[in-house]
Amino acid sequence: QVHLEESGGGVVQPGKSLRLSCAAAGFTFSHYGMHWVRQAPGKGLEWLTYILYDGSEQFYADSVKGRFTMSRDDSTQTVVLQMQRLKTEDTAVYYCVRDGRPLLRSLDWLGTWGQGTKVTVSS
Amino acid sequence: NFMLTQPPSVSESPGQTVTISCTASGGNIGRNYVQWYQQRPTSAPTTVIYEDNQRPSGVPNRFSGSIDYSSNSASLTISGLKTEDEADYYCQSYTDINQAVFGGGTKLTVL
Repeated sequence: QVHLEESGGGVVQPGKSLRLSCAAAGFTFSHYGMHWVRQAPGKGLEWLTYILYDGSEQFYADSVKGRFTMSRDDSTQTVVLQMQRLKTEDTAVYYCVRDGRPLLRSLDWLGTWGQGTKVTVSS
Repeated sequence: NFMLTQPPSVSESPGQTVTISCTASGGNIGRNYVQWYQQRPTSAPTTVIYEDNQRPSGVPNRFSGSIDYSSNSASLTISGLKTEDEADYYCQSYTDINQAVFGGGTKLTVL
């Protein structure tokens, strides 16, 4: 059974950094691209970033390019979202999402979602 | 910039059929696949339609997706509405530079 569990959320001051992790289980992790998506309070979904199954490339939304970095560690079946220079508008629930199908060289449909971790940026 | 626009809300009665639209601007809706996600209150989203009109395993055939190239839009149709279908629905597609794009979401109320 596919399972994604995010962690690392919390309250952080503007300008600071935060590292989110997503632990994956129940599938061949090294075969799947992974996404991060966020949802601000009372707002819609916003796609943030994607990493290819082999880690060779990452893609970012314009809103976070240069501040957020996504990486993966196949040995621990984990993806990480490193967030820097945080702003109040980064306050949201952050979801880790697995691609729908394996071994693709570009984004696929967002197949399985974690339950999310909440990030609050506030002084 | 490629964008997807959805109506903020729709409502319909149990047993009836509802259609939610997703109109593309800044690009051709047919250039990349469209997906639809359901998000019930306090839950994470789940996929109900992928690749324009495909249903993941476990999604009932009351859910269907389509593309209208003439209006540059996609649609999600839910027939035989049930109260459990009450949720937010998001369409999603891609830009030509490997970015995913979501519509603003539509709140479905089943009266």
